Amino acid sequence: TQLLEQSPQFLSIQEGENLTVYCNSSSVFSSLQWYRQEPGEGPVLLVTVVTGGEVKKLKRLTFQFGDARKDSSLHITAAQPGDTGLYLCAQPGAGSYQLTFGKGTKLSVIP
Amino acid sequence: SQTIHQWPATLVQPVGSPLSLECTVEGTSNPNLYWYRQAAGRGLQLLFYSVGIGQISSEVPQNLSASRPQDRQFILSSKKLLLSDSGFYLCACPGHTNYGYTFGSGTRLTVV
Repeated sequence: TQLLEQSPQFLSIQEGENLTVYCNSSSVFSSLQWYRQEPGEGPVLLVTVVTGGEVKKLKRLTFQFGDARKDSSLHITAAQPGDTGLYLCAQPGAGSYQLTFGKGTKLSVIP
Repeated sequence: SQTIHQWPATLVQPVGSPLSLECTVEGTSNPNLYWYRQAAGRGLQLLFYSVGIGQISSEVPQNLSASRPQDRQFILSSKKLLLSDSGFYLCACPGHTNYGYTFGSGTRLTVV
């Protein structure tokens, strides 16, 4: 089973700061998904990256897929308290029937 | 787009009691369905998945079981709960776009 490592595990920043969180694997990703989960809710899909070197933007969020498709990053510009949550990366399993998730980065943005 | 309903939202059960969590899906037919458990706000562990009525695959040996009596219904059960069964249980199905999953809002189970 391919393991996804996310870093950092916890991140606490002031409103307006920039931040980057990472998702890495020892093996090549077929594709990678990023989710945000708020307390007491299910994860919500933010983006899927498929092509090596791909960059996708979602308002203040920029997602990058490494050229070798073994790593991905999520950069948030000018963080807002509404960005607070658990950020999870996930990839399809070998049989494509299920997703495997990383342990997540818990982000707190302090007003 | 599909919607997943889970209930109850919160449940406190004594050790040794039975469990039944229900998940229903709207807006799609014959979906793959999944039960995940999340401990302490961390990563999700896949427990069961189903590709159709009556078809259940278990990913982790445990005190739980799953059933799919109808196309859009997925049930998680236990005959006797353990303290270690506490956690946040999420039901999911594949979305229509972007390869992602749609999740329900989850059930917070506390076994006391």
